Order: sequence, then structure tokens, then C-alpha cells
Amino acid sequence: AAGVIQSPRHLMKEKRETATLKCYPIPRHDTVYWYQQGPGQDPQFLISFYEKMQSDKGSIPDRFSAQQFSDYHSELNMSSLELGDSALYFCASSLSGAPYEQYFGPGTRLTVT
Amino acid sequence: AQSVAQPEDQVNVAEGNPLTVKCTYSVSGNPYLFWYVQYPNRGLQFLLKYITGDNLVKGSYGFEAEFNKSQTSFHLKKPSALVSDSALYFCAVRDIGSSNTGKLIFGQGTTLQVKP
Repeated sequence: AAGVIQSPRHLMKEKRETATLKCYPIPRHDTVYWYQQGPGQDPQFLISFYEKMQSDKGSIPDRFSAQQFSDYHSELNMSSLELGDSALYFCASSLSGAPYEQYFGPGTRLTVT
Repeated sequence: AQSVAQPEDQVNVAEGNPLTVKCTYSVSGNPYLFWYVQYPNRGLQFLLKYITGDNLVKGSYGFEAEFNKSQTSFHLKKPSALVSDSALYFCAVRDIGSSNTGKLIFGQGTTLQVKP
């Protein structure tokens, strides 16, 4: 079965650079979520989209922005990168409504030096 | 606000023995609860969920979880542990706050170590 695809899997950037992370949800899933998992931490919700519109926003810095495109893929744009942005970034997709579970991609490991 | 707690950072169990990974929750209203497993450098894999119905839910890889409303718990269990079950386990609750957009709130995770 098709899963959530994220690219790139690994990304190394320097401070103050920008990064773009991509997410391709499971076909026919209409909702995309972005989570950030710091080292030894639990995943923290950043932002979500439903039918290409932002549906919720969590603890996402103003330096970050995201969007969902007409083909439902989503991109997380991160600017003025800081050392503390080093983390695993997960995208998850789901169908709105039941059965509610989210399916996660393999993640993008961002390292900022 | 919704929250979940996993009181144990690590659980150690011998292969073949039963395992339990604990989770308690705090929600207003009916909880939607989930268990995910994370292997090193991998994404989170869905194991099982409780939405409504039977308190004992069965999931992937022989795992099950028992929903206990009076104790506000949702412990993950498996009758016979395998070494390959060693991983990081997260309990999560679906946020049904004002936005009700379905974001998940995770516990801090429990590392399960199964020794041969």
C-alpha cells in the first residue's frame, strides 16, 4: 500500500539558511499534519491543512511557513535557520472524519550547523 | 486541554514474557486514543486506536490495549514479547479542542527493551 513520502530524508544546512521540506500524502487523504521531534523528545504539532487550507497551527515559529498544493502535497518552508531547528520533521496524512488515525512518513532529519 | 502521560521512560522485559507499557490520559469528553511505535531513525507506525466500543482493542503485531475509563488509562499490552518489539512507544490522544482538526498530542514516549 502507498505510504506517506517525505523528501529529502536528510538535510544539512547552516545557520541563517533556508530549507524546504516536502510531503506527499497517501492518495485520497485530504488532511496533512506537520510535526517536529527534537532529540529525545515526543513529536510536537506544527501545522495542518485540510483541503488545501490551513486548518490548525501549533507551536510553529514565524520563520516557518507551509502550504498544501492542488495535488495535496505539502511543503514546509523554514527560513533563518537556527541550531535549535535541528530535529526530525514528520508529515502525517489522514482522511477527515473516522477512522481518525494518522499515517506518518519516514521523516526528514534536518541538521543545522 | 487534552494530555497523555507515560510514567515509565523505559520498560525492560524478557523475551517470551508479557509486556505492559502504561499510558494515562486527561481529556474533556470522550477520548480518541492511539498507540504508535518508532524504530530508530524511522517514522511512527500506527499500532492501534480506541474510539468507542469494546474496551480491549487489538492492533498490529499482536499488540492490544485496554481502555479503562475509571482509571483514565490506555495501557499497551502483548502476551509474549519478542526481541524485535524493542523500540520507542508513544501514546497519543486526538485533540478535540476548539479547533477539532485532529492533531495528535503525544506522551513523552517509553523505550521498550526486550532481552533474549
